Amino acid sequence: AQSVTQLDSHVSVSEGTPVLLRCNYSSSYSPSLFWYVQHPNKGLQLLLKYTSAATLVKGINGFEAEFKKSETSFHLTKPSAHMSDAAEYFCVVSEQYSSASKIIFGSGTRLSIRP
Amino acid sequence: DVKVTQSSRYLVKRTGEKVFLECVQDMDHENMFWYRQDPGLGLRLIYFSYDVKMKEKGDIPEGYSVSREKKERFSLILESASTNQTSMYLCASRFHRQGLNTEAFFGQGTRLTVV
Repeated sequence: AQSVTQLDSHVSVSEGTPVLLRCNYSSSYSPSLFWYVQHPNKGLQLLLKYTSAATLVKGINGFEAEFKKSETSFHLTKPSAHMSDAAEYFCVVSEQYSSASKIIFGSGTRLSIRP
Repeated sequence: DVKVTQSSRYLVKRTGEKVFLECVQDMDHENMFWYRQDPGLGLRLIYFSYDVKMKEKGDIPEGYSVSREKKERFSLILESASTNQTSMYLCASRFHRQGLNTEAFFGQGTRLTVV
């Protein structure tokens, strides 16, 4: 079985400071891992995905995530927050080697940016 | 671009009504998913289909059923709508091959209100 836990329901940072959104996963097989973002009243947009080619994954808008198998983590970071980053972020897990693989979402982290 | 289209953006239905939510994708994807999104709970998987006529229960299937008679269309059915099914419903599709890390594409959502 697979599951994902987002450790913070709400994170607030000042503009220009680093962002860290934490995610831990559980998967029986090789996991597929993703981060999605949802801006207010907008659809879901893929930020980045883990491809197993590299443990550090770069996404859009300056976001990165590092896959750490020993810690079963896939935390999302950005060096410098921008006001436009205010949104809800979802960590997502799936299984690569199953023909009937679910896609499981975390409960989300709401990111607020202080001016 | 992949397009996932949900038939309605907003629906208001009465308690006890049978409700159909329709989703169509145009990219010949094998996998299709139905989620509901509620504040603080993230996206919860209701049902998914890994191919035509194939379906699997997600985490919260009670009160719902699905139909996938054609590859491009995945329908969610509320047999007898209740007020606790008031929510945002999101459909997604994904190209799937074992070992490939493919992301899901989402529709814009249907906001269903049951009165």
